[in-house]
Amino acid sequence: QSALTQPASVSGSPGQSITISCTGTSSDVGGYNYVSWYQQHPGKAPKLMIYDVSKRPSGVSNRFSGSKSGNTASLTISGLQAEDEADYYCSSYTSSSSVVFGGGTKLTVL
Amino acid sequence: QVQLVQSGAEVKKPGASVKVSCKASGYTFTSYYMHWVRQAPGQGLEWMGIINPSGGSTSYAQKFQGRVTMTRDTSTSTVYMELSSLRSEDTAVYYCARETVAGTIAGAFDIWGQGTMVTVSS
Repeated sequence: QSALTQPASVSGSPGQSITISCTGTSSDVGGYNYVSWYQQHPGKAPKLMIYDVSKRPSGVSNRFSGSKSGNTASLTISGLQAEDEADYYCSSYTSSSSVVFGGGTKLTVL
Repeated sequence: QVQLVQSGAEVKKPGASVKVSCKASGYTFTSYYMHWVRQAPGQGLEWMGIINPSGGSTSYAQKFQGRVTMTRDTSTSTVYMELSSLRSEDTAVYYCARETVAGTIAGAFDIWGQGTMVTVSS
């Protein structure tokens, strides 16, 4: 199972919105509504931000939203804040009954 | 509170095995699938496999088939991940992570352990 494709880096200024893409295939992203997004700060465990494409766990800011079109999922962060600077990973359930992650995207808040 | 507490850091020689534990508390242990994910230094996340704490059934990523064994002890609400034939490329932080919704497998992990650093070096 190949890793999902994410941009290596994205950046934005405080208050702006950014979108991170996550491209897979019909065997993973396109085939299931089981895409998740994680935020990871240096030295910390990942934190679930979005699951089932667009659901937010309790406690996650509504500035974070998820969507999917075909084989590509997206994470949008609106009203960027300094504390949003982190690595972001997408993941998807697959037709092999496994889970595959994206390579990760480093978000820089300028 | 719901939490997963993992065992401490390990240093192993190439060819050896390592067994990492993950103790769950604050929820019904047998109701939620548990996954193992690893992260090599400076690298991304890699899914290793899943265990059903209720019945003990497992499914492993193809990459680790034959080298990884996941088990559980319901009496102590603990899951274990054992990786054998260690090589330098196995140097990584190993995480246990709980599936978000009870009884389902969607690859969404809402609770993570603190991570266990495993270093493989001669």
